[in-house]
Amino acid sequence: GESVGLHLPTLSVQEGDNSIINCAYSNSASDYFIWYKQESGKGPQFIIDIRSNMDKRQGQRVTVLLNKTVKHLSLQIAATQPGDSAVYFCAEPSTIKAAGNKLTFGGGTRVLVKP
Amino acid sequence: EAGVTQFPSHSVIEKGQTVTLRCDPISGHDNLYWYRRVMGKEIKFLLHFVKESKQDESGMPNNRFLAERTGGTYSTLKVQPAELEDSGVYFCASSQDRQGEAKNIQYFGAGTRLSVL
Repeated sequence: GESVGLHLPTLSVQEGDNSIINCAYSNSASDYFIWYKQESGKGPQFIIDIRSNMDKRQGQRVTVLLNKTVKHLSLQIAATQPGDSAVYFCAEPSTIKAAGNKLTFGGGTRVLVKP
Repeated sequence: EAGVTQFPSHSVIEKGQTVTLRCDPISGHDNLYWYRRVMGKEIKFLLHFVKESKQDESGMPNNRFLAERTGGTYSTLKVQPAELEDSGVYFCASSQDRQGEAKNIQYFGAGTRLSVL
């Protein structure tokens, strides 16, 4: 699979437990955030997004929480399964309209699910 | 419907050679983006096409990189001449503007792993 030796923080979690992945951002004007999942040998896949007028959004087994006060967001995965093993990235589109939504990515967190 | 496809999946070349990467976006997507992740770094934006026009190429590292999207369909990214520091994974993404939405979801290809020796 794809690997470029990036030293990622790793979250090791027991199958069935909940996972929490954190991301910090610096731009107070950021108004939209996305979580991507990247499995080995694949490109980033969209999981869930959230707008800054919300502080929580739920999907299937995933919840994203946004704390604008401390510029922090998290992705919670309920009942983590082996198929959840991947690298997870938070990303935000540019707030500058002329910049055409180019994404800025966080460094990523590797989730390893132990059977 | 096919997703974003990239070719080749892996390319190994020697320093000084030329390599051309190809991206086929999802059919009908006007927006096409190139990103890359080089050793030890996070995924970084390279450039953005809207149809055949370059909207933003602020992330292109230098003039050894040339991206094209003739006809507004597939895109190529050529590196000439390749240097050791160009090694990494090059991702392509596409999206379509949704009416009334300020943001649009980008769908990524599997990437091309480029190794420059």
